[in-house]
Amino acid sequence: DSGVTQTPKHLITATGQRVTLRCSPRSGDLSVYWYQQSLDQGLQFLIQYYNGEERAKGNILERFSAQQFPDLHSELNLSSLELGDSALYFCASSRRGTGNSGQETQYFGPGTRLLVL
Amino acid sequence: GQQVMQIPQYQHVQEGEDFTTYCNSSTTLSNIQWYKQRPGGHPVFLIQLVKSGEVKKQKRLTFQFGEAKKNSSLHITATQTTDVGTYFCAGRNTGGFKTIFGAGTRLFVKA
Repeated sequence: DSGVTQTPKHLITATGQRVTLRCSPRSGDLSVYWYQQSLDQGLQFLIQYYNGEERAKGNILERFSAQQFPDLHSELNLSSLELGDSALYFCASSRRGTGNSGQETQYFGPGTRLLVL
Repeated sequence: GQQVMQIPQYQHVQEGEDFTTYCNSSTTLSNIQWYKQRPGGHPVFLIQLVKSGEVKKQKRLTFQFGEAKKNSSLHITATQTTDVGTYFCAGRNTGGFKTIFGAGTRLFVKA
């Protein structure tokens, strides 16, 4: 158990709908990262938040948005869903994630499996 | 932009054979991490390499970071069925914030 929790575990929805995925980081971690993993694919970095502010942006679609709240939990909002959005969405957290020249261990949650029909 | 290439994409080995996966970056990395994802699981941190030319060992696993800090490798000696999974490298270029994961190498071990 990494200490990172994600809800829901599974989500089935229809095209055109909107869903919200939730992530609670490990206690004391300030950074939250979101990744998308399609079937048998690698991890696509979507976005990172640090202490409530957006820190880095990856290949995140305009239909997707995220935020990190004062209690440090994060939500990933996916709207106007398409079939191709079906994937496993991971959240990870790290202590700081402030960049500089270092790189911190990321602790991954169990993921949310999204199926768009 | 920064790219991290990982090869091979898949590797099938007989139990007891060795296995190596390679990671190459288009830019110099501040350091590199390796993760393992078991089938149906989530990525789990294995190790971090920081120094040029660094070599670290964890039991049957040997990790190397290239002299130019642009490539890395993970070598498993005498694979076991418990080694099955996908191995990812992850790097961030100096001064950057984004962590870029390689596409992963999926290891299959036949008993």
